[in-house]
Amino acid sequence: AQSVTQLDSQVPVFEEAPVELRCNYSSSVSVYLFWYVQYPNQGLQLLLKYLSGSTLVKGINGFEAEFNKSQTSFHLRKPSVHISDTAEYFCAVTRNAGNMLTFGGGTRLMVKP
Amino acid sequence: DTEVTQTPKHLVMGMTNKKSLKCEQHMGHRAMYWYKQKAKKPPELMFVYSYEKLSINESVPSRFSPECPNSSLLNLHLHALQPEDSALYLCASSQGRRDQSPLHFGNGTRLTVT
Repeated sequence: AQSVTQLDSQVPVFEEAPVELRCNYSSSVSVYLFWYVQYPNQGLQLLLKYLSGSTLVKGINGFEAEFNKSQTSFHLRKPSVHISDTAEYFCAVTRNAGNMLTFGGGTRLMVKP
Repeated sequence: DTEVTQTPKHLVMGMTNKKSLKCEQHMGHRAMYWYKQKAKKPPELMFVYSYEKLSINESVPSRFSPECPNSSLLNLHLHALQPEDSALYLCASSQGRRDQSPLHFGNGTRLTVT
């Protein structure tokens, strides 16, 4: 079985400040990792994914994440946030046998002016 | 704009009503999914269709009945729902079920059961 823990339910940050949203996973097999963003009253949009190769993954909207196998983490970062980044962010994991996603509990990023 | 289209965007229904949620994608994807999302919670998987056949049913009550008429369409038929079924229902699709292609989500149907 696999599980995903997002350590912060809410992260308030000022505009143009850097941000890190934390994600840890547990799994007995190799996994693939994703970050999705959900804006109010919308579905989920893929930000980035780690399947293999370089552990530093760049995504859309200036976000990036680093896969750390020894720490079983996949933290999401952005060097300078905008008001428009205010949204719910979900970390998700799937086993190598397919794309049945297990989601973390979500982190609400609140960017303040 | 999303490439997965869900209708209606909002639905209010009584506990004795019968209604259907619809989902459509034209990306040639062969796997389609229904998720349920309660407020401030992550999405929970309900059903998965692969090549128009139901491959996963996550022990969802029978008052929810999925249907996949063809590779582009996915329906969720609702009957005798309970107030606790009020939620955002999300449809998603992917290239296949047994690969790591990312899911593409629709914007959801906000369902309120009165």
